[in-house]
Amino acid sequence: EAQVTQNPRYLITVTGKKLTVTCSQNMNHEYMSWYRQDPGLGLRQIYYSMNVEVTDKGDVPEGYKVSRKEKRNFPLILESPSPNQTSLYFCASRRTGTYEQYFGPGTRLTVT
Amino acid sequence: SQELEQSPQSLIVQEGKNLTINCTSSKTLYGLYWYKQKYGEGLIFLMMLQKGGEEKSHEKITAKLDEKKQQSSLHITASQPSHAGIYLCGASLRGSQGNLIFGKGTKLSVKP
Repeated sequence: EAQVTQNPRYLITVTGKKLTVTCSQNMNHEYMSWYRQDPGLGLRQIYYSMNVEVTDKGDVPEGYKVSRKEKRNFPLILESPSPNQTSLYFCASRRTGTYEQYFGPGTRLTVT
Repeated sequence: SQELEQSPQSLIVQEGKNLTINCTSSKTLYGLYWYKQKYGEGLIFLMMLQKGGEEKSHEKITAKLDEKKQQSSLHITASQPSHAGIYLCGASLRGSQGNLIFGKGTKLSVKP
């Protein structure tokens, strides 16, 4: 089944404790992206990747890192999480030349 | 200011009633995408519109694209409780490098 998977689905952590949210897709998509969703603000793009080893900042990249060492994986790294990073995070992917994005199920992160 | 405006922000309708959600862009649209999200879950792709005047339907949901107005409308006929959720429009805009921007969403509740 074609899908985007994220892990973990739920995470509660404390300020400053490094964490990684994994994202994996099995559709051989070149493009992958991370979004965060907050009430009243909608979906905002954090980082995106056009292909392996190619990443770029989205609209709200501060406090986040990403890497794209393999085509299928695009982890989101929070080196020192803060409470303002409490949010619902989505990973998405698409094939180059198309615009339809496939979304993962979301990761709900709470930073206390 | 928001590049993609959705209206209304929320909507409560009686089961069986028709409703319309609008999405207006402040920039030239290259593609308009409608997604549905159940509360706190992932986004489900509904349909994509690319050409002015284009109209697509999926079950009881119809979307149209008005290129002149840079606007899309999503119309649900004879709403059912299963239509409840958050509807998001996403758009690829000129200069966006294929990235999507999203409206803030319309929260739809359907009263049985």
